[in-house]
Amino acid sequence: QKEVEQNSGPLSVPEGAIASLNCTYSDRVSQSFFWYRQYSGKSPELIMSIYSNGDKEDGRFTAQLNKASQYVSLLIRDSQPSDSATYLCAVNREGSSYKLIFGSGTRLLVRP
Amino acid sequence: NAGVTQTPKFQVLKTGQSMTLQCAQDMNHNSMYWYRQDPGMGLRLIYYSASEGTTDKGEVPNGYNVSRLNKREFSLRLESAAPSQTSVYFCASNLWTGDLTPLHFGNGTRLTVT
Repeated sequence: QKEVEQNSGPLSVPEGAIASLNCTYSDRVSQSFFWYRQYSGKSPELIMSIYSNGDKEDGRFTAQLNKASQYVSLLIRDSQPSDSATYLCAVNREGSSYKLIFGSGTRLLVRP
Repeated sequence: NAGVTQTPKFQVLKTGQSMTLQCAQDMNHNSMYWYRQDPGMGLRLIYYSASEGTTDKGEVPNGYNVSRLNKREFSLRLESAAPSQTSVYFCASNLWTGDLTPLHFGNGTRLTVT
């Protein structure tokens, strides 16, 4: 089992729809969770960070964390073609908080 | 604001050649990292430096060495390049505050080993 799992996609949604991206992780005591966006040929850029159970909203983005079920999700409301990218979920590994483990990413396509 | 700067941006090596990837950050971060990214594999941690003077292995350290030259600079060396090291390499940094804060990435180095 991979430490951080994501569906590779592509996830295709029409412009204006809600895109829902999911991530599961295996380490029960992970504390820090991040969503990064990566455009093709570019470096990852931070979208959201979340440390506590529940929802965290920032503009059109909402991160949801459920530690009991070991999943973290990212909702993108009013999806735009410019949101088309690969979204990487990252989780820290217990016992070594410096080690951030990345999922392989979900490719999102927003159709105009 | 330069952020995290990596050099070179592209490199082609022959099997057995050596090279050093350079990384510098100007954000006064104490922790620095080297990741590699391969298609379908996500980002994998090669080495990290929690603070100046310390380095530790990540998930895939074999074939690499690192040097934390000072607080700003963290280099990655390939002593004898192999085709399996063809990848995109990202340097990253963050400020360790007791919680893991987000990483800031450089623009990457695209390395091909023939």
